Amino acid sequence: AQKVTQAQTEISVVEKEDVTLDCVYETRDTTYYLFWYKQPPSGELVFLIRRNSFDEQNEISGRYSWNFQKSTSSFNFTITASQVVDSAVYFCALSEALRIQGAQKLVFGQGTRLTINP
Amino acid sequence: DSGVTQTPKHLITATGQRVTLRCSPRSGDLSVYWYQQSLDQGLQFLIQYYNGEERAKGNILERFSAQQFPDLHSELNLSSLELGDSALYFCASSVDGEGYNEQFFGPGTRLTVL
Repeated sequence: AQKVTQAQTEISVVEKEDVTLDCVYETRDTTYYLFWYKQPPSGELVFLIRRNSFDEQNEISGRYSWNFQKSTSSFNFTITASQVVDSAVYFCALSEALRIQGAQKLVFGQGTRLTINP
Repeated sequence: DSGVTQTPKHLITATGQRVTLRCSPRSGDLSVYWYQQSLDQGLQFLIQYYNGEERAKGNILERFSAQQFPDLHSELNLSSLELGDSALYFCASSVDGEGYNEQFFGPGTRLTVL
């Protein structure tokens, strides 16, 4: 079965510090997709990024960057120069390969609660 | 705003009752997903519909059922409610149901069973 582990339950840092959220996944599929979502205090889940299993290039979007390493089955997320508005719960998710066309199932990690203190 | 709408935002009911949660996907999206978020279970996938047909099923209880209508909105029915069903229920939608698609989530319905 596929599994996503976010070992860090809670992280608390001071504003402007860099912070890395870890995500480790398990799958037997050769083709799979990884996602990060943000859940701010308002509660809605916000899509941040998607990465497919064939693309190991790191990605940077402003202060956010993602490091995908198939060798260690990890897809880590780094926030540079953190801000108070980054405070949220962050979820890593794996798209499970299903044999039925048009079928998708996201398997989520337990989430990491990130608190940025002023 | 993701474009996915869910009603109601909050629902308080008693054990043994039945409730219906409603979801409207983003314009143009054919696939709808339902998730349950609780403190002990985390975010759990319940069920997926694509263009009116059930396509994938997760750990959805037999007391729960869902459907997607011709106008693509979806409803999740929860019956014989128990205290443990109290949770945040999310609906998400995507263009189609393929594995590479990002899912866009609605604001959720918070269900409290007393």
